[in-house]
Amino acid sequence: DAKTTQPPSMDCAEGRAANLPCNHSTISGNEYVYWYRQIHSQGPQYIIHGLKNNETNEMASLIITEDRKSSTLILPHATLRDTAVYYCIVEWGKLIFGQGTELSVKP
Amino acid sequence: DTEVTQTPKHLVMGMTNKKSLKCEQHMGHRAMYWYKQKAKKPPELMFVYSYEKLSINESVPSRFSPECPNSSLLNLHLHALQPEDSALYLCASSQGRGLGSPLHFGNGTRLTVT
Repeated sequence: DAKTTQPPSMDCAEGRAANLPCNHSTISGNEYVYWYRQIHSQGPQYIIHGLKNNETNEMASLIITEDRKSSTLILPHATLRDTAVYYCIVEWGKLIFGQGTELSVKP
Repeated sequence: DTEVTQTPKHLVMGMTNKKSLKCEQHMGHRAMYWYKQKAKKPPELMFVYSYEKLSINESVPSRFSPECPNSSLLNLHLHALQPEDSALYLCASSQGRGLGSPLHFGNGTRLTVT
């Protein structure tokens, strides 16, 4: 079973930051937090991952709480092309997808 | 474009047919994965290969038979499928398992069983 909980849907205005939350209260010490997104009819796309520290790359930022029981993915300036299902996953050896958050970016 | 290539993109097969799905990566990854995704559902893990050996089988019916001929290739052999097996089949690869290395996915094979 998936070890994460995400809101089923969120809206965001184009150009604004999108903050996607994820709860993973049973995460183990050696488990990473991964974020993927899936645009309709394509394979999941890797966004970012982290273990303890906050991470940033060209796509997004990942904020992990100090107790590691939750995290937030931040898309700093959402565009219409960021409309997708976003999956937060914790993993040790394999990725088990939860239901994800359907993000709609609106003009 | 992705670095994991899956063929064919679409496949229609009858319940008595035998077919194979193919997946290829040239990133030097040593772990490869098969996922199944039904419409409006998240991907479900089927099989994991690590260093060309099957390490995880998520209780998948025997009508699905994976094969990893070498570190770059992953096949999924299909035989006597049911209409409910119609789905998007996704292949992925990673540098290793549990090493903090992300999975890279292909765009899948959309399978229809008639």
